Amino acid sequence: GQNIDQPTEMTATEGAIVQINCTYQTSGFNGLFWYQQHAGEAPTFLSYNVLDGLEEKGRFSSFLSRSKGYSYLLLKELQMKDSASYLCALTGGGNKLTFGTGTQLKVEL
Amino acid sequence: DTGVSQNPRHKITKRGQNVTFRCDPISEHNRLYWYRQTLGQGPEFLTYFQNEAQLEKSRLLSDRFSAERPKGSFSTLEIQRTEQGDSAMYLCASQDWTSYEQYFGPGTRLTVT
Repeated sequence: GQNIDQPTEMTATEGAIVQINCTYQTSGFNGLFWYQQHAGEAPTFLSYNVLDGLEEKGRFSSFLSRSKGYSYLLLKELQMKDSASYLCALTGGGNKLTFGTGTQLKVEL
Repeated sequence: DTGVSQNPRHKITKRGQNVTFRCDPISEHNRLYWYRQTLGQGPEFLTYFQNEAQLEKSRLLSDRFSAERPKGSFSTLEIQRTEQGDSAMYLCASQDWTSYEQYFGPGTRLTVT
């Protein structure tokens, strides 16, 4: 099976940088996703890591270390609209996704 | 393309009734996934199709649940004899087999009273 852990809640200030961590235990996986989900809406894709290292996409970056069972999502220049739940997910056979419980990020003025 | 659509968006039903949800994936996406999400949790995998073939079902999918994708296009998820524990958001996602990204629909929120 797969076990994925994320902090439940985080609070950050508009304009700041925040790092959301994700640790996992698994026997194997193809890649690691980060999704953003606003309340009452569908998850939307943010990033995908297959190899170790940093993937940068605008204000969002994601990092993966397979040997450490660890990933993080880095959000820069935070905006109020970034207040949402951030979901870490592993993909395995059939590309089905196994999600963590999500981290609820609140951006304050 | 308008993305993945799901109908209805909301469904309130009484315990014991049957309900059916529909998902229309992005056209030409051959993979279609169903997930269930309860409040404060991440989505949980239920089942997936490649074209019209149902390739995997989660242990979460009891005998009361059945899913179909008859022509490899839209899919339906039926829940028979609903229970209060079935109350959740049911999400559908589609994927082109050459890509890694799954595109999610807006979901159907089911409330069983």
